Amino acid sequence: QKEVEQDPGPLSVPEGAIVSLNCTYSNSAFQYFMWYRQYSRKGPELLMYTYSSGNKEDGRFTAQVDKSSKYISLFIRDSQPSDSATYLCAMSTLGNQFYFGTGTSLTVIP
Amino acid sequence: DGGITQSPKYLFRKEGQNVTLSCEQNLNHDAMYWYRQDPGQGLRLIYYSQIVNDFQKGDIAEGYSVSREKKESFPLTVTSAQKNPTAFYLCASSIEGRGYTFGSGTRLTVV
Repeated sequence: QKEVEQDPGPLSVPEGAIVSLNCTYSNSAFQYFMWYRQYSRKGPELLMYTYSSGNKEDGRFTAQVDKSSKYISLFIRDSQPSDSATYLCAMSTLGNQFYFGTGTSLTVIP
Repeated sequence: DGGITQSPKYLFRKEGQNVTLSCEQNLNHDAMYWYRQDPGQGLRLIYYSQIVNDFQKGDIAEGYSVSREKKESFPLTVTSAQKNPTAFYLCASSIEGRGYTFGSGTRLTVV
């Protein structure tokens, strides 16, 4: 079993929709969680960084961590064509070495 | 601006040849990492270094080597022992509690 599981998609939504991206994990010691956005042929860029459980909001993006279910989510409100990318989740026990999901490919259709 | 610079952007390797990928950071981060990205497999850790002159193998270190002689630099050599080197290589650095900052990647192709 992989440390981190992420549905690869692809996910296709109309512009303005709410997008939900999810990851599950098996290691209950994970306490640092990240979401990255990666455009084609580019390096990933950090979107959200959270510690332990709870919600964190930044503009149109909300990250949610449910440690009891070993489940994390990224919500994108009012999705835009510029949000079309691959989204990677990552998690760590001590905040240094992170384990990555395989990424979910998202397309937002104008 | 602070960041991570990877070079070259594209690299072509002949069979049996060693090649070196450059990674330089000016973020004053202690830890640096090399990942390999293949379609459908996500990011896989090759090597990481948490301090100068020290580094550890990741999950797929065979056929690769690294050095960490300076805090700013963490070059990766893909040796002829790596039988399937065609991939997108990503370098990252981090400071505890802040997550990773990635470079823009090097695409290596065997010709």
